[in-house]
Amino acid sequence: QQPVQSPQAVILREGEDAVINCSSSKALYSVHWYRQKHGEAPVFLMILLKGGEQKGHDKISASFNEKKQQSSLYLTASQLSYSGTYFCGTEGLTDSWGKLQFGAGTQVVVTP
Amino acid sequence: DTGVSQDPRHKITKRGQNVTFRCDPISEHNRLYWYRQTLGQGPEFLTYFQNEAQLEKSRLLSDRFSAERPKGSFSTLEIQRTEQGDSAMYLCASSNPGHVPETQYFGPGTRLLVL
Repeated sequence: QQPVQSPQAVILREGEDAVINCSSSKALYSVHWYRQKHGEAPVFLMILLKGGEQKGHDKISASFNEKKQQSSLYLTASQLSYSGTYFCGTEGLTDSWGKLQFGAGTQVVVTP
Repeated sequence: DTGVSQDPRHKITKRGQNVTFRCDPISEHNRLYWYRQTLGQGPEFLTYFQNEAQLEKSRLLSDRFSAERPKGSFSTLEIQRTEQGDSAMYLCASSNPGHVPETQYFGPGTRLLVL
């Protein structure tokens, strides 16, 4: 079951904030966030494990609500370099190994 | 520390031809994954290896697809009798399950166009 991401796309001006959500219908062990720029490989941003921890990477942070099987990625004071498509990959509690199922992505465009 | 590499980066072929892609994982990573990504979608799991053993294949992987990792290092993905629906980006990723939490690192991908 593929996780659902929202919104599908967001346009920001430099310095603005945005939130990207990722919801799963199954119990999760972890949520992985990646950013992909056009024509390039997905680049790992961060992993969140069950336990509801929040993590940060520069001005990008994320949270994981295991009760709701949801994760949110927060882009704070966005920079032009934040443009790209953000994917969440989820690992289920019952999965026997690190198999990830990815959402369809959220396209982020940051304008000057 | 070199990342995951894939070759070729682009491949154009005619329908019915066979194609083979190569992936070289990060050197200490013993898990290797193949994904397919079409426009506007996230990566879709195809298969994965732990060392040289292929442990799981997606139901999406038809009999025309085969993957190998003969010595537990690089891997190849072959598509026989290509169809236009095979056009996609084929991504390889690797990880080290000894690192907790396990993180998959992706290569640049091979973009396949079947005419």
